[in-house]
Amino acid sequence: EAGVTQFPSHSVIEKGQTVTLRCDPISGHDNLYWYRRVMGKEIKFLLHFVKESKQDESGMPNNRFLAERTGGTYSTLKVQPAELEDSGVYFCASSQENLGGWYGYTFGSGTRLTVV
Amino acid sequence: SQQGEEDPQALSIQEGENATMNCSYKTSINNLQWYRQNSGRGLVHLILIRSNEREKHSGRLRVTLDTSKKSSSLLITASRAADTASYFCATVQTGANNLFFGTGTRLTVIP
Repeated sequence: EAGVTQFPSHSVIEKGQTVTLRCDPISGHDNLYWYRRVMGKEIKFLLHFVKESKQDESGMPNNRFLAERTGGTYSTLKVQPAELEDSGVYFCASSQENLGGWYGYTFGSGTRLTVV
Repeated sequence: SQQGEEDPQALSIQEGENATMNCSYKTSINNLQWYRQNSGRGLVHLILIRSNEREKHSGRLRVTLDTSKKSSSLLITASRAADTASYFCATVQTGANNLFFGTGTRLTVIP
């Protein structure tokens, strides 16, 4: 079974540019989550999809961040325009039904975003 | 912190020694999970302990949970150089379905 796949693995962009991160969850996993770790600090929740619907987007920092999950399969996270403080590692995770809270979540390898 | 604090922030030990990391959290939880992140890689789920459990083992890992103190510990016995990584505790709050992470402990195991 393929795991959670994220790309790109690294992205370096200039302040003001746009970047789109992609996450492919494990096939059949309806629940998809985005997290990020900024500058070695804690890993923070961004949002949670159930299929194509946003279940919880309380962690999205501001309206420069837009997450989509058309068709309930892969998800994209767009940052537009990127700011320096957006630099960090963006993780995606998926779980089957609501079982992540019971059996753990499967995370991707993350996308390291550097805004210069 | 959204949820937890981990202690210590960094730990350096010799291969073969045991490593203990502690995690404290703030709210009522459904369960607590430990994850590992190797440099440049993703988070790997290590072990999950439910709120009604007090201790759990998995291989060289031992996790304890004290809900009265809102704290947990992760013990890695007979450490190996390959255990070098950052370790994070994460909680699933009661009634919620996502993770709140601690700040992590950077473990270095010296060969």
